[in-house]
Amino acid sequence: GENVEQHPSTLSVQEGDSAVIKCTYSDSASNYFPWYKQELGKGPQLIIDIRSNVGEKKDQRIAVTLNKTAKHFSLHITETQPEDSAVYFCAPGDSNYQLIWGAGTKLIIKP
Amino acid sequence: KAGVTQTPRYLIKTRGQQVTLSCSPISGHRSVSWYQQTPGQGLQFLFEYFSETQRNKGNFPGRFSGRQFSNSRSEMNVSTLELGDSALYLCASSTFREGSTEAFFGQGTRLTVV
Repeated sequence: GENVEQHPSTLSVQEGDSAVIKCTYSDSASNYFPWYKQELGKGPQLIIDIRSNVGEKKDQRIAVTLNKTAKHFSLHITETQPEDSAVYFCAPGDSNYQLIWGAGTKLIIKP
Repeated sequence: KAGVTQTPRYLIKTRGQQVTLSCSPISGHRSVSWYQQTPGQGLQFLFEYFSETQRNKGNFPGRFSGRQFSNSRSEMNVSTLELGDSALYLCASSTFREGSTEAFFGQGTRLTVV
């Protein structure tokens, strides 16, 4: 089955700096690569996703890059703000849209 | 449009008891998935229902079961509760229509087994 790893498990950055979280997966059939953000007391929420025919996607301060050959994709957050503090999950999916979730990365934004 | 609603929000049960959790998906969403979230274990997939049929199942013992009704509302049941079942149980609904794959989560039910 699919094996998904996220790194780092915890990331602490200064407000205004950039943050990068990496997700590696094992199933070459994966073709859908989303990132979810979970704030305290809430369920995860989709923040950005990318499909296998695209290498990069941006949405304001957030971007996702995909390297299908190396089987990893990354979440990039620029100009971090206090509200970016949360747990981020990657969840690569297959053609049946079955998502396999990473263990999560706790992002801490230091003022 | 109302979001995904999970009830109850909090539950305290005793070992050996059983519990039923409820999830009302977003109107029009036919897929409902259930997850168990514990500190350090991330999100563990329990099962997914689509049009009243279990379509996918995770690696959980048979004590964990679920069902979906014709109005897409779903319930999950845990029998013979163990201390290790204490967790946040999340429900997510999706449309899987026109390539849409976004999962919309409820706020979860916090289950504590004592």
